[in-house]
Formats: sequence, structure tokens, C-alpha cells
Amino acid sequence: KQEVTQIPAALSVPEGENLVLNCSFTDSAIYNLQWFRQDPGKGLTSLLLIQSSQREQTSGRLNASLDKSSGRSTLYIAASQPGDSATYLCAVLVAGSYQLTFGKGTKLSVIP
Amino acid sequence: GAVVSQHPSWVICKSGTSVKIECRSLDFQATTMFWYRQFPKQSLMLMATSNEGSKATYEQGVEKDKFLINHASLTLSTLTVTSAHPEDSSFYICSETGSSYNEQFFGPGTRLTVL
Repeated sequence: KQEVTQIPAALSVPEGENLVLNCSFTDSAIYNLQWFRQDPGKGLTSLLLIQSSQREQTSGRLNASLDKSSGRSTLYIAASQPGDSATYLCAVLVAGSYQLTFGKGTKLSVIP
Repeated sequence: GAVVSQHPSWVICKSGTSVKIECRSLDFQATTMFWYRQFPKQSLMLMATSNEGSKATYEQGVEKDKFLINHASLTLSTLTVTSAHPEDSSFYICSETGSSYNEQFFGPGTRLTVL
């Protein structure tokens, strides 16, 4: 059974810092990995999707990497802003299915 | 990406009543939609896969008679929580795959509170 772990569970940083969020998964047989953002009481916003054959994806100040063989992904946020404060979720799509398995998320607070 | 809406965004009901949550695909004819549940500070957990024109597929541990799913059209799936109890209070989110089938697009969620 696929399990996804996100470390740390919570992170507080001053505005302007660069930061890294970590995600690990137990079964490397994945189709892709997605990073989502969730604001309190809201749905999910897709940030980046990395196919299993890719090593990284970039969007603006966000960069996500994937090392499928070791079961790890990182989300790098450059020059953090207070508006980046949210919970960041990592999810893997199991190969051969539609099933997404989510981590519990990292709650990020960027202090002005 | 696909656009998904949910209605209502929040609902409060008395214990023992039933609540229906709608999930609409606004720009794509979705043959498959997904229902997730998220408890506070927990992961999203897949409850069931909703298939247009056929029965939903439920995950292990999810009571199909309690969580009724109907996917009668390509743009609408509904989740009915029957005889709701306080332990059913949660955040319910639906998603659909759009045309890519390997990426899911999520609705804004419905907060259910059962008193």
C-alpha cells in the first residue's frame, strides 16, 4: 500500500527566505506526483505536476524535483512571501490507476 | 485545467438527516469523478470513484449505503450522506480528471457539520 509522508508538518519562516518542503513515498511505481496548495477551508489548487519520467518542473518561484527511485520529491519556494502561507500537499498517482494518495501536508507560515 | 464546482460550500444539519452535495464539471464531460474526505489536520482520503451511468466504486471501509453516489450525467455527480451523525462532520472534496486522465482537478470543497 502506497504511503506518502511530508516533513515538516509545519514551518514558519520570515518573508524573503528560500525554503524546501519534503515529500517521500513508499512505492516507486507511480505515474506522476503533484504538489497542491490548500488555503484554510478551501479546495486544492494544483501547483506542479511531475511525470514519473521527469526530474523536475518549474513554475515562477516554485521548483519541484522528483527522484522516483528513492521515493522522494521536494518543493522549493524562492523568496517566500506572506501570500505563500498555506498548507502544501503532495500526492502520488499510483501507476495503472486513477488513485491519488496524499500526504498530510506541510503548513507554511511566512512572517512579514 | 478543468473547472469543478461544488454546492453547497458549507452545510450544517441535525443528526439523523440526509445531506446531498453536488459536484459539477463546468468545462468537461467527466465520465469519472472522485469523492474525497478530509478530517482536520489529516490527509485527503479517497472515498469512492463515481462512474457515469454505472455504480460507484467504494474504497475499503466506506459504507456504500451511507454515502450514496449518483453520477447520472457527464457533468454532475452527487454524494448523499444518509442519516448523518457528528462523526460524519468533515470536508468533502470532489475531483475529475479532465481530458488528460492523469491529473485531477479539484472542486472547492463542502464543509459538513452535523450537530
